[in-house]
Amino acid sequence: SAVISQKPSRDICQRGTSLTIQCQVDSQVTMMFWYRQQPGQSLTLIATANQGSEATYESGFVIDKFPISRPNLTFSTLTVSNMSPEDSSIYLCSGGWGNTGELFFGEGSRLTVL
Amino acid sequence: QKEVEQNSGPLSVPEGAIASLNCTYSDRGSQSFFWYRQYSGKSPELIMFIYSNGDKEDGRFTAQLNKASQYVSLLIRDSQPSDSATYLCAVRTPRGSARQLTFGSGTQLTVLP
Repeated sequence: SAVISQKPSRDICQRGTSLTIQCQVDSQVTMMFWYRQQPGQSLTLIATANQGSEATYESGFVIDKFPISRPNLTFSTLTVSNMSPEDSSIYLCSGGWGNTGELFFGEGSRLTVL
Repeated sequence: QKEVEQNSGPLSVPEGAIASLNCTYSDRGSQSFFWYRQYSGKSPELIMFIYSNGDKEDGRFTAQLNKASQYVSLLIRDSQPSDSATYLCAVRTPRGSARQLTFGSGTQLTVLP
């Protein structure tokens, strides 16, 4: 398994501001993903973070709202832009490698937008 | 139809009993299947994965896969109160990246002392 660290672990933000979440993996992973988990719900994939190139976004998520960077194999950031209360959620970074397809998750970043 | 479906529960079992968690998936080309456990306020933790039809055992946990029926289950033997959590079924589907997982809505399990 991998140790995946995220920060901040939680934050309270004002409407209209932006917040960047950082994700650090302790070993080089093939793939990194960002998921969102809204209160009482399951995980929804936001995007695949691609090293050195633009992220691949899922339907319903756009780069202007959720810009993602991945400058190297062990680090990625997710920015939640122009936040509204609907963005209040837990944002989870995940990483995986090898042929088995397992994904491991960071501790999550709990975001509350007032 | 949702890609991955689970009974939301809650499911309650007495301590020492067998807990049975079920999951169905819609994409017949799905290749691998994962069970995650998520305690309240925590991130998902991988318990088991299974690729081939049949059973796979790991300690008190057994994953069962039936690709013909598009069905995967998780059995927890000798359930303990510490097993109380939400269990998420995840499926790797042919679309998207090789590591992309689609998650079910989760089943909340409570093991009663």
